[in-house]
Amino acid sequence: GNSVTQMEGPVTLSEEAFLTINCTYTATGYPSLFWYVQYPGEGLQLLLKATKADDKGSNKGFEATYRKETTSFHLEKGSVQVSDSAVYFCALKAGDSNYQLIWGAGTKLIIKP
Amino acid sequence: DGGITQSPKYLFRKEGQNVTLSCEQNLNHDAMYWYRQDPGQGLRLIYYSQIVNDFQKGDIAEGYSVSREKKESFPLTVTSAQKNPTAFYLCASSARTGGNQPQHFGDGTRLSIL
Repeated sequence: GNSVTQMEGPVTLSEEAFLTINCTYTATGYPSLFWYVQYPGEGLQLLLKATKADDKGSNKGFEATYRKETTSFHLEKGSVQVSDSAVYFCALKAGDSNYQLIWGAGTKLIIKP
Repeated sequence: DGGITQSPKYLFRKEGQNVTLSCEQNLNHDAMYWYRQDPGQGLRLIYYSQIVNDFQKGDIAEGYSVSREKKESFPLTVTSAQKNPTAFYLCASSARTGGNQPQHFGDGTRLSIL
């Protein structure tokens, strides 16, 4: 079946460090891939997405590249800020599904000044 | 600005009581969803609706009920049959269920037991 695996958190970094949050997936067909961010006490916001192999999604300095050969969609940012502290969720919409997003468990990111 | 409004932000339930969580969207989206989020965990789908007057069970529908009488509204009732209702509930919508449309989320309702 379809599934998403994210690296376990929390991930703790110092300000201006390089960030990678790993996300790998299992899916039938050709899924679309998403990263969402959840700030404390709030709902989720779409951060970026990619709909086909080799697509790169980017937003607010974050990037992720859809790698079909490694079934991965790792989230990266070159220089993190304290305001990036949040929980990040990787999700996929499988090509054979017309409604459901499959969610990773989320990775909590803590940035220290 | 368009968006999704969930209310109330905090809700308390007594034993044996049904409570209803509101979700309203003005994005003109066809599809709406209810998720449950427990601490430190991902999202689990409770119910979803693709069009008015139609909805389907998700992965954890037991103890919950929904209605979709209007396109803009998708209320969730947590019934007394749900024995562990304490969680953060998130409502979402999308333009349509097919294709690559992302889901847009409300700010959530935190439900606790008195």
